[in-house]
Amino acid sequence: QQQVKQSPQSLIVQKGGISIINCAYENTAFDYFPWYQQFPGKGPALLIAIRPDVSEKKEGRFTISFNKSAKQFSLHIMDSQPGDSATYFCAASKQETSGSRLTFGEGTQLTVNP
Amino acid sequence: EAQVTQNPRYLITVTGKKLTVTCSQNMNHEYMSWYRQDPGLGLRQIYYSMNVEVTDKGDVPEGYKVSRKEKRNFPLILESPSPNQTSLYFCASRNWGGYKGEQFFGPGTRLTVL
Repeated sequence: QQQVKQSPQSLIVQKGGISIINCAYENTAFDYFPWYQQFPGKGPALLIAIRPDVSEKKEGRFTISFNKSAKQFSLHIMDSQPGDSATYFCAASKQETSGSRLTFGEGTQLTVNP
Repeated sequence: EAQVTQNPRYLITVTGKKLTVTCSQNMNHEYMSWYRQDPGLGLRQIYYSMNVEVTDKGDVPEGYKVSRKEKRNFPLILESPSPNQTSLYFCASRNWGGYKGEQFFGPGTRLTVL
């Protein structure tokens, strides 16, 4: 079963618009929620991450909003640019005494039109 | 340059022909992991290793083997590949003491099994 569900699967936004990608998780033991950005032909790269003790984290045009009670978190890209066109993955991980894995969402392919 | 390298980048093979995908990192990371990426499923962990000679199964280990004889290398072995192993594979690494989400990914290996 998919422990982290991501939507939408694809998203088309005009340049300058706001891109919003949503994720929901099931396991309340998750304590770290990163977002990864992947360009075609490349591996994913960490974009921004949040811990559940805060409700929002902002880095430049990228903001994560976190709702612990709803078990949801989302990525907002303000003033979206064509260079933001990529696949975005949300993920979650939990404290473990042995082993540590990232559970990824299904991915969102973002296209920003000029 | 700090990086994770994978070889080969592209591979077409036939059912049953053993193959190895190599992974190497030059960041002295303890933790290494293999993922497969499939459309609509995101990235799923195959195997991970917390250090030399310490490996464990991820979410989808069937049909794969790994070894960790040196800290920098973490090869993925398919003893008898089947068409359902056609996928995009990523190796990743991170410091054991670092943020659990901050994994560094290789460029990927696209495998086709005929």
